[in-house]
Amino acid sequence: EIVMTQSPATLSVSPGERATLSCRASQSVSSNLAWYQQKPGQAPRLLIYGASTRATGIPARFSGSGSGTEFTLTISSLQSEDFAVYYCQQYNNWPPRLTFGGGTKVEIK
Amino acid sequence: QVQLQESGPGLVKPSQTLSLTCTVSGGSISSGGYYWSWIRQHPGKGLEWIGYIYYSGSTYYNPSLKSRVTISVDTSKNQFSLKLSSVTAADTAVYYCASLPEMATIGYFDYWGQGTLVTVSS
Repeated sequence: EIVMTQSPATLSVSPGERATLSCRASQSVSSNLAWYQQKPGQAPRLLIYGASTRATGIPARFSGSGSGTEFTLTISSLQSEDFAVYYCQQYNNWPPRLTFGGGTKVEIK
Repeated sequence: QVQLQESGPGLVKPSQTLSLTCTVSGGSISSGGYYWSWIRQHPGKGLEWIGYIYYSGSTYYNPSLKSRVTISVDTSKNQFSLKLSSVTAADTAVYYCASLPEMATIGYFDYWGQGTLVTVSS
């Protein structure tokens, strides 16, 4: 099983500031990585797939980068609606064994 | 736009079988183009993929749950279902259904249901 490790567990950021979230895979997943945002009481929402492609309707302030084992989600200027938990997920195995990271909570500083 | 809605009992007794159904609207399961999946989230914890199915009936399961999981599809009702047998308190979680687009590499979830909490308790 590919283990996904996210850091930090909690990130305290002021509105308008930049947030950088990290995700590391225990082995290479190529660019087969997605990012999701989850707010309390809601389902996760797809932000990024293919490591760097924004999903439909996702604002340009969200960007993804990386390949292999190291990935980054950057939120260029945090808005109030961006405070949430963010998960990365790899989909590189065949047969499939899709795995998620433990999440990073972005909270208001 | 695809919409998904989970339904099923919110309380299941230990050792029994958990059964949930996901109803898809805004698109036809039998049209292809998507795989259909179940994911769960233990209270206050992260996300765990359970398995997915194609309209043809081909299934893929998380090896850690494979012995207890069955996912099936009913194209006539535009629904797919989850059965998890021999449940324990460790199966208490919010269960989500979700869709995966049929791309060159399959595996990210683009649409999600709102989730349903299933509690395992006597």
